[in-house]
Amino acid sequence: DQQVKQNSPSLSVQEGRISILNCDYTNSMFDYFLWYKKYPAEGPTFLISISSIKDKNEDGRFTVFLNKSAKHLSLHIVPSQPGDSAVYFCAAMSSTNAGKSTFGDGTTLTVKP
Amino acid sequence: EAGVTQFPSHSVIEKGQTVTLRCDPISGHDNLYWYRRVMGKEIKFLLHFVKESKQDESGMPNNRFLAERTGGTYSTLKVQPAELEDSGVYFCASSTRSGTGYNSPLHFGNGTRLTVT
Repeated sequence: DQQVKQNSPSLSVQEGRISILNCDYTNSMFDYFLWYKKYPAEGPTFLISISSIKDKNEDGRFTVFLNKSAKHLSLHIVPSQPGDSAVYFCAAMSSTNAGKSTFGDGTTLTVKP
Repeated sequence: EAGVTQFPSHSVIEKGQTVTLRCDPISGHDNLYWYRRVMGKEIKFLLHFVKESKQDESGMPNNRFLAERTGGTYSTLKVQPAELEDSGVYFCASSTRSGTGYNSPLHFGNGTRLTVT
């Protein structure tokens, strides 16, 4: 049973617009969340994270929002750029097992010029 | 600093053969992880080393998979004998321990694409 779900396999947006990628989780023990970005033939790279004590974390064009009651987080990219086209993975960790990250299936974002 | 390196980048073997994947983590990273992505699905945890010790191997599929990290440096993942369902991309990642109590975000290698025919 998948504990981290990214229900949109793909998303296409126009350059300059906002991209919103969503992630849901089922395990209430998860208390730290991360987003990774992956280009073809490369490994994922860390993008941004958020602790469960916060509901928002911002880093430049990237903002992650966390809704603990709904067990939902989202990544906002604004403005979107063609170089943002990649697969985005949501990941979750629990303080009871701080070494293990649980990933979703990924969402492929395409930003059109 | 050099990133996480994995070798080989691709491997095609026949069912029943043996394959050994290698991972060199970032120097100084005590934590080393193996993950696998099959058929474009989620990136699944296999196991976690802290230095040379296996901290968590709950994700290892079965006893055909053997991971080692001799001396707490590089790691190998051996699949013997390989089955068709073992095909996928095997990622290695490393991290340090951060002050938050969690290990720091993962630094991934580019992966080894394993195809079992």
